[in-house]
Amino acid sequence: AQKITQTQPGMFVQEKEAVTLDCTYDTSDQSYGLFWYKQPSSGEMIFLIYQGSYDEQNATEGRYSLNFQKARKSANLVISASQLGDSAMYFCAMRVSMKTSYDKVIFGPGTSLSVIP
Amino acid sequence: SQTIHQWPATLVQPVGSPLSLECTVEGTSNPNLYWYRQAAGRGLQLLFYSVGIGQISSEVPQNLSASRPQDRQFILSSKKLLLSDSGFYLCACPPRGVNTEAFFGQGTRLTVV
Repeated sequence: AQKITQTQPGMFVQEKEAVTLDCTYDTSDQSYGLFWYKQPSSGEMIFLIYQGSYDEQNATEGRYSLNFQKARKSANLVISASQLGDSAMYFCAMRVSMKTSYDKVIFGPGTSLSVIP
Repeated sequence: SQTIHQWPATLVQPVGSPLSLECTVEGTSNPNLYWYRQAAGRGLQLLFYSVGIGQISSEVPQNLSASRPQDRQFILSSKKLLLSDSGFYLCACPPRGVNTEAFFGQGTRLTVV
């Protein structure tokens, strides 16, 4: 069965330093997509970055990069030059193609990141 | 681009009372729609998905139900709320294809007292 694991319930990082948030996934599908979302205290879900299973290069979006290791089934998020506004919950998610006309998106339990000034 | 509206933003309801949360979608037609629930400090649990009007599938057995009366409207309901129904409810539109993300509404924070 498909599953997302995030083993770090909480992380602390000093402002301006880089931090890596871990994500491992389990799927038998050959085609899938991996996402990272940020959820600040307001509750909204903010899309950060996407990596397709067939993408050979790691995805990057500004200060966010995804360290994709397909053989190890890991998709870690790296945030460079952390800012105070980066303090939030971070969710790793996976798009799973179903046999019917829709795709399912499943989420990991999340990592709470706190940036220390 | 797609926009998902949810209301109300917050809700406090007594145990045993009914519930109706509404989600509407703009900027797309015939969307697939999801209801997720997030318990405090936890991840998102998929509750229902809908691929069209009147078509609802449930992911987990629970006290809640969902309906899709119109193409861009998705409603989450309960006849009698339980304390365990408290949480943050998110309506979402799943990815339409490769390299697209899921879109989320702003969420409804429900507290059952």
